[in-house]
Amino acid sequence: EVQLVESGGGLVQPGRSLRLSCEASGFRFDDHAMQWVRQVPGKGLEWVAGVSYNSGSIGYADSVKGRFTVSRDNAQKSLYLQMKSLRIEDTAIYYCVKDASSRWGRELDFWGQGTLVTVSS
Amino acid sequence: EIVMTQSPATLSVSPGERATLSCRASQSISRSLAWYQQKPGQPPRLLIYYASTRATGVPDRFSGSGSGTEFTLTISSLQSEDFAVYYCQQYNNWPPYTFGQGTKLETK
Repeated sequence: EVQLVESGGGLVQPGRSLRLSCEASGFRFDDHAMQWVRQVPGKGLEWVAGVSYNSGSIGYADSVKGRFTVSRDNAQKSLYLQMKSLRIEDTAIYYCVKDASSRWGRELDFWGQGTLVTVSS
Repeated sequence: EIVMTQSPATLSVSPGERATLSCRASQSISRSLAWYQQKPGQPPRLLIYYASTRATGVPDRFSGSGSGTEFTLTISSLQSEDFAVYYCQQYNNWPPYTFGQGTKLETK
């Protein structure tokens, strides 16, 4: 059974940093690209960042470029999102998502339950 | 960036009836389109990929069609568990993956 378990969310002040983690199980983690997608509660979905199976290809949404860093540790079957200079508009549920492909260009076939990040003073 | 536009924003349909949801891409994405269903308090669930292929375990009352810039998700006979928000997503160009703004399917 595929499982993606996010952690690291919480309340943080504007300008501070936070690191999200995602532990994967139930599939060959090092065969798949992984993505972060966020959702303001009650609103739509926004892709944030993604990393290919071997970390050779990484991409970011313009809204987070230069502030967020996505990484993965295949030995630990984990995905990370380092978030710096957080803004109020970064407040959202952050989902760890399994990509059907090893790089990009396929559907997102499994989503974690998400972790809530609240940026507020 | 490819912009995905869904219509309508809200669709009111009675159980047992057919629902048709639309998604338009700002440029051709071939058939690189997925549909997701999201219920309150849950993450999105993949329903359809490559525009018309049902994901594992998805009932056959869900069907997808289209190519290029125009896509449709059809639910042939609505069940109570189908009332949810539906999103389309293109994966032809990355980065970024882009989503439509969603269609809320509600009971009439």
